[in-house]
Amino acid sequence: GQNIDQPTEMTATEGAIVQINCTYQTSGFNGLFWYQQHAGEAPTFLSYNVLDGLEEKGRFSSFLSRSKGYSYLLLKELQMKDSASYLCAVRDSQAGTALIFGKGTTLSVSS
Amino acid sequence: EAGVAQSPRYKIIEKRQSVAFWCNPISGHATLYWYQQILGQGPKLLIQFQNNGVVDDSQLPKDRFSAERLKGVDSTLKIQPAKLEDSAVYLCASSSPGARAFFGQGTRLTVV
Repeated sequence: GQNIDQPTEMTATEGAIVQINCTYQTSGFNGLFWYQQHAGEAPTFLSYNVLDGLEEKGRFSSFLSRSKGYSYLLLKELQMKDSASYLCAVRDSQAGTALIFGKGTTLSVSS
Repeated sequence: EAGVAQSPRYKIIEKRQSVAFWCNPISGHATLYWYQQILGQGPKLLIQFQNNGVVDDSQLPKDRFSAERLKGVDSTLKIQPAKLEDSAVYLCASSSPGARAFFGQGTRLTVV
């Protein structure tokens, strides 16, 4: 089966750095995705990792360790607009191409 | 590029009534997904289509939920009869095979 764990809530202040962790268990790992979801809106794609290592994209970076079943999303220079839910999702080759999502981490950024 | 379109945005129905949601994927995307997102949780896959064929419907409650994608483009998801626990946001997503999924804004269903 599949299991994805991430913290329920996190808080941070503007300008800070925050790391959102995600651990997963899957039968046939085939990629890990991070999506951002503002309240009442659609999830939007942030990053994709399929090989070990760090992927950097502007203020956002995502890291993957397949041997540890672990990923993190790093957000730098936090802005108020980064307040949202961050969804960790894995693709399992035994489950087609659909994504299996964690419950999401609600990040609140304060001034 | 136009995104994934869904309608309606909001729907309130009484339990035991029926409801239908519509999705128009991004042009050219062969793969279409319906997800259910209950408040405070991540999206859960209900059904996946490849063109007009079903790839995975293992988590679709088939006694009350049905979905179709007759011409391999638009899709409809129906619930009949609805239960209180069906209150959720229903998200449609589409992708090219193997590529990342793009999500629509969803339909927020409230069953009272």
